[in-house]
Amino acid sequence: DAGVIQSPRHEVTEMGQEVTLRCKPISGHNSLFWYRQTMMRGLELLIYFNNNVPIDDSGMPEDRFSAKMPNASFSTLKIQPSEPRDSAVYFCASTPIGYGYTFGSGTRLTVV
Amino acid sequence: GQQLNQSPQSMFIQEGEDVSMNCTSSSIFNTWLWYKQDPGEGPVLLIALYKAGELTSNGRLTAQFGITRKDSFLNISASIPSDVGIYFCAGQEPKGAQKLVFGQGTRLTINP
Repeated sequence: DAGVIQSPRHEVTEMGQEVTLRCKPISGHNSLFWYRQTMMRGLELLIYFNNNVPIDDSGMPEDRFSAKMPNASFSTLKIQPSEPRDSAVYFCASTPIGYGYTFGSGTRLTVV
Repeated sequence: GQQLNQSPQSMFIQEGEDVSMNCTSSSIFNTWLWYKQDPGEGPVLLIALYKAGELTSNGRLTAQFGITRKDSFLNISASIPSDVGIYFCAGQEPKGAQKLVFGQGTRLTINP
């Protein structure tokens, strides 16, 4: 199993641009999570899906952030327009029900 | 939302020493998990605890789920250089939700 696959690994973009982060969960895992990690705030849950359905998006900072899971093998997190304060490492994680998460390697986003 | 208090925030030890870190919460959790994060990577699950009072070992690592369900500790015995990294505790809420709440992390540095 290749694990949770995230792309890109690094993204540098200018303020105001649209950014799309991608995640492929582990096959058979029916829950998917998007986290953001910063030095100041640690690991913050942004949104999670069960069986492709968004369950809790209360952690999404504002309307500039959106997430989709069109099928069981793919999810995107989009930021439009991006701002410098969005700079962080964004992690995707997946899990079968009842077990700990498996995290991807993350996308390091820098907005200049 | 719920907060986990993880301590210490950082530790500087000599190779071969034992390490102890803990997490406390004002709320109860059904599951406690301990993760380790290496630079540039996502957190990796070390130990999962599912029952109050449970004591579980994984090699040189030992973790316990507190009887009150509001705390957990992780011990590392005879530390080695590859133990360097950031350790996170995480708690899973009891209402059937899959989401985890993470502590702020303990950064472990080992002097050879």
